[in-house]
Amino acid sequence: QVQLVQSGAEVKKPGASVKVSCKASGYTFTSYDINWVRQATGQGLEWMGWMNPNSGNTGYAQKFQDRVTMTRNTSISTAYMELSSLRSDDTAVYYCARVYSVPGTTFPYWGQGSLVTVSS
Amino acid sequence: EIVLTQSPGTLSLSPGERATLSCRASQSVSSSFLAWYQQKPGQAPRLLIYGASSRATGIPDRFSGSGSGTDFTLTISRLEPEDFAVYYCQQYGSSLQYTFGQGTKLEIK
Repeated sequence: QVQLVQSGAEVKKPGASVKVSCKASGYTFTSYDINWVRQATGQGLEWMGWMNPNSGNTGYAQKFQDRVTMTRNTSISTAYMELSSLRSDDTAVYYCARVYSVPGTTFPYWGQGSLVTVSS
Repeated sequence: EIVLTQSPGTLSLSPGERATLSCRASQSVSSSFLAWYQQKPGQAPRLLIYGASSRATGIPDRFSGSGSGTDFTLTISRLEPEDFAVYYCQQYGSSLQYTFGQGTKLEIK
């Protein structure tokens, strides 16, 4: 079965960077896009961007264009999302999600979420 | 960017009642690439509906989706206790620019 297992909680200071990992299993990692979605406490879902694990191509939401980098290590079936220049309003749970089939389809598979807290 | 606006913000109903949730898009959603998710506290979202009206695997038939263009609806025919949660609509498609609505909280009356 498809599983996405994310890295644990992180506490970072303002201005620092954080890198969250998402290890995939149960399917061919390079065959399906991985997306990242975040959710601040008590708030809604916010899409951040996508990555094609085969080519490494990415697409980011405009809001995050200058601060986010999505990468992968195909040898260990793991996707990464790095967010830089952290601010207090980046405190959120970050989810990875796999598309159903081709790029541009829905997200039936989600990781468990990784809490990132930004605090001085 | 397509903006999705969900209404109402909060819906208070009793088990057994019918729930109707709305999602309005700022521009037409191509090919009805509109999905609905359910999220319970401390959990990741769960896909309910895709293509505006198709139920995802394992979703009970009391959940149904409808609509096209800019107006979409999620209906829960008879609410079960486990249905009280937050619901989000999402637009997707070949542009690879996804957006979510702000959510509707379905609470027990």
